[in-house]
Amino acid sequence: QVQLVQSGAEVKKPGASVKVSCKASGYTFTSYYMHWVRQAPGQGLEWMGIINPSGGSTSYAQKFQGRVTMTRDTSTSTVYMELSSLRSEDTAVYYCAIAARPDYYYGMDVWGQGTTVTVSS
Amino acid sequence: QSVLTQPPSASGTPGQRVTISCSGSSSNIGSNYVYWYQQLPGTAPKLLIYRNNQRPSGVPDRFSGSKSGTSASLAISGLRSEDEADYYCAAWDDSLSGLYVFGTGTKVTVL
Repeated sequence: QVQLVQSGAEVKKPGASVKVSCKASGYTFTSYYMHWVRQAPGQGLEWMGIINPSGGSTSYAQKFQGRVTMTRDTSTSTVYMELSSLRSEDTAVYYCAIAARPDYYYGMDVWGQGTTVTVSS
Repeated sequence: QSVLTQPPSASGTPGQRVTISCSGSSSNIGSNYVYWYQQLPGTAPKLLIYRNNQRPSGVPDRFSGSKSGTSASLAISGLRSEDEADYYCAAWDDSLSGLYVFGTGTKVTVL
């Protein structure tokens, strides 16, 4: 079955970077764009950006431009999301997600389990 | 700060119908599809509605979506205790280089 498995929880100091991975299985990795969404404690969902696993092209939310980098490794069917210059406000659960059917367009129906990133001195 | 506005809360008794609104603009809801997600506490979001009013397989027909102009709505009929969750609308926003935006979220409480 289609599955996204993310890397484990991270604790980082302010100013550091974090790199979260999302390993896909159960489908052709290059078939579906992958989104990254985060959720701060007690807050709503926030879209961070999207990557095309086929060519590697990306589009980031304006808020994260210059701080986020999404990459992929087609040999391992893994997408990476790196966020730099971390601050306390970046403490959140980070999710990868895909729309696993073309007719869903941008409706994300498969989600990773989430990766908790804590930024604390 | 989200560009899609939802009421912070909604509630109803079992069996009732609850409606959640999502207000946007011409650059998002007005020109793109609307999606709805359900998030139970401590879990990843679940896709409830895609392309304004379509349900993925497995989503009960108690959930329905609609769109008119720059607003959209999610209706839950025959409210059940397991519907108690946070609900988010979402859409692409053409004004910000292909940004995908989520609504502010609505907490549904089953009384």
